[in-house]
Amino acid sequence: SQTIHQWPATLVQPVGSPLSLECTVEGTSNPNLYWYRQAAGRGLQLLFYSIGIDQISSEVPQNLSASRPQDRQFILSSKKLLLSDSGFYLCAWSNAQGVAGTEAFFGQGTRLTVV
Amino acid sequence: KQEVTQIPAALSVPEGENLVLNCSFTDSAIYNLQWFRQDPGKGLTSLLLIQSSQREQTSGRLNASLDKSSGRSTLYIAASQPGDSATYLCAPRVRAYKYIFGTGTRLKVLA
Repeated sequence: SQTIHQWPATLVQPVGSPLSLECTVEGTSNPNLYWYRQAAGRGLQLLFYSIGIDQISSEVPQNLSASRPQDRQFILSSKKLLLSDSGFYLCAWSNAQGVAGTEAFFGQGTRLTVV
Repeated sequence: KQEVTQIPAALSVPEGENLVLNCSFTDSAIYNLQWFRQDPGKGLTSLLLIQSSQREQTSGRLNASLDKSSGRSTLYIAASQPGDSATYLCAPRVRAYKYIFGTGTRLKVLA
């Protein structure tokens, strides 16, 4: 069966420090991968999605970047964190593009607090 | 641009009640629609997936309906229990890779 791992679960970082959040999926190949952010009291906002290695699209301009060095690994990064980057970050996967009827599955999230 | 609205925003009910959670979306050109549950501080758990060609889907005490042409989906929870307390999110899939989320219905079931 497929599983998704996301870490760390909680992170407190100072303003201006770098960030690296990692997500890996097991039990499937060539998944679509996603990074979402959930700010306090707001809905989930799609940040990045990827349909393959080194194929990443950004949905909103921001201080963050994403990379997919391996088929089932998705990394969210920042060179210098801002206070506004605080939030709950969720990684998700679904079956590849073209298989339109499949579900999305989410990791357990990373609570990031920038201080 | 797809917009998703969930009503009510919050709901507090005694145990045992049958519940109706509503989701509306502005663009009916969707691939499917998924309902999720989110416990405080946790990730999302998939509850039900309804394909765009389906009218409803059932899992245990949960039943979700979809009226794509009118841009509406409803989640029914039968015989609610305190363990059902969570935030419920609906997410239509608007492209092969993109889901748009509503802001959720925060449910509290009282023992």
